[in-house]
Formats: sequence, C-alpha cells, structure tokens
Amino acid sequence: EAGVAQSPRYKIIEKRQSVAFWCNPISGHATLYWYQQILGQGPKLLIQFQNNGVVDDSQLPKDRFSAERLKGVDSTLKIQPAKLEDSAVYLCASSSTLARPQETQYFGPGTRLLVL
Amino acid sequence: GQQLNQSPQSMFIQEGEDVSMNCTSSSIFNTWLWYKQDPGEGPVLLIALYKAGELTSNGRLTAQFGITRKDSFLNISASIPSDVGIYFCAGRPTDSWGKLQFGAGTQVVVTP
Repeated sequence: EAGVAQSPRYKIIEKRQSVAFWCNPISGHATLYWYQQILGQGPKLLIQFQNNGVVDDSQLPKDRFSAERLKGVDSTLKIQPAKLEDSAVYLCASSSTLARPQETQYFGPGTRLLVL
Repeated sequence: GQQLNQSPQSMFIQEGEDVSMNCTSSSIFNTWLWYKQDPGEGPVLLIALYKAGELTSNGRLTAQFGITRKDSFLNISASIPSDVGIYFCAGRPTDSWGKLQFGAGTQVVVTP
C-alpha cells in the first residue's frame, strides 16, 4: 500500500512570495490533515478535511493560508504572501475515517519550506 | 489553551541503556499516542493507548495511559543505535473529534 505522498520535498522562497504544497493521501482515506511543524516543536494542526469538507480550520491563519480538497482525494495548501515565520515543515496526514476518532493518522514525508 | 508538556527535551544515552520519557496534559485525554520521527521524514506511530491505565508494549517499547488521563509515559528498553530520533507524544482531548495535540518531542541520541 502506497503511503501519503507530498510534493515538493523542499522549497525556498522570498518573503511575500506565494507557495503551494500538494498532498495525495493513502487510497481510500476519507480524512486528510495538514500540520505545520516549526523546528524544535511538535506538529500543529492547521486544517482537517473529511472527504471534500472542512472539519476544523480553527488554527489556520486564513489571511494568508488556504487549503482545498475539491474532489475529496488530493489536497493543496497555499501560502500567499509568505512571511519569515512560515519557515517550517508542512506535513500531510490521512486516516481512513473520522467516524472512529482513534483511527491511526499516517503521515507523509513533509515539505520543508524556507522563507528568506 | 490546552498544552502538552513532554520531558525530557533530549537524552544522551549509551547503547543498552533504558530510556524513559513522559507527557502531561492540562486536560483529560481519551487517546494517547507515541510517534517517532526520523530526520527528513514524517512521524511514524509506535504505540496507541485508548483506556486509562492501559499498558501496551511493542517490542522493546512500552507505554502507559495514566490513571488520571492527563499523562502518559514511554519506555525503551535496551536501546540500540537505530532508536536515535525524536519521539513525540500526542493526545486527543475528550472534546475533540480526530484532532491531535503534540508534545514538543524528546530527542534521543544513542552512543555505542
């Protein structure tokens, strides 16, 4: 079974530029999560999708971050415009269903973003 | 807001030694999870705990869900070089639905 795929693996941009990350979850997984992991910290949930609907985006900085999962499969996370403090690893995770909260979340390798 | 406190922040141990780390929460959790993250990779689930008092092992790893439901610990016995990495606790508050909170991680370094 293929794992969670993310691209690109690395991205370097200048502040005020825009950037987009892509995630393809494990096949058949209904729930998709985007996390931000700042160096030296644990992952912090940004947004959670169930199929193509948003379940929780309370910690997403909506003035500059946006995410979509239009067909309920793959997802994109965008930052526009980027700030220096957005430098982090952006992790995507998926789980088979939200119906059972204890469902295991499987993480992708992450996209490492450096904003200069 | 809710916070997870994970300690220690880092550990330098010799191969063969046991390792112990713990997490405490300011609120009650219904799930405790322990993940390991290797450099350049995403976290990988090691152990999941769903009931207060539950003690679960996975090879040389043992974790427990605290009776108060506000804490958990992870033990690694007889450490080996491949145990190097960052270990994260994660918990699911009782009022959340799927949402996990992560600790800041424990960096483990194993020397031969």
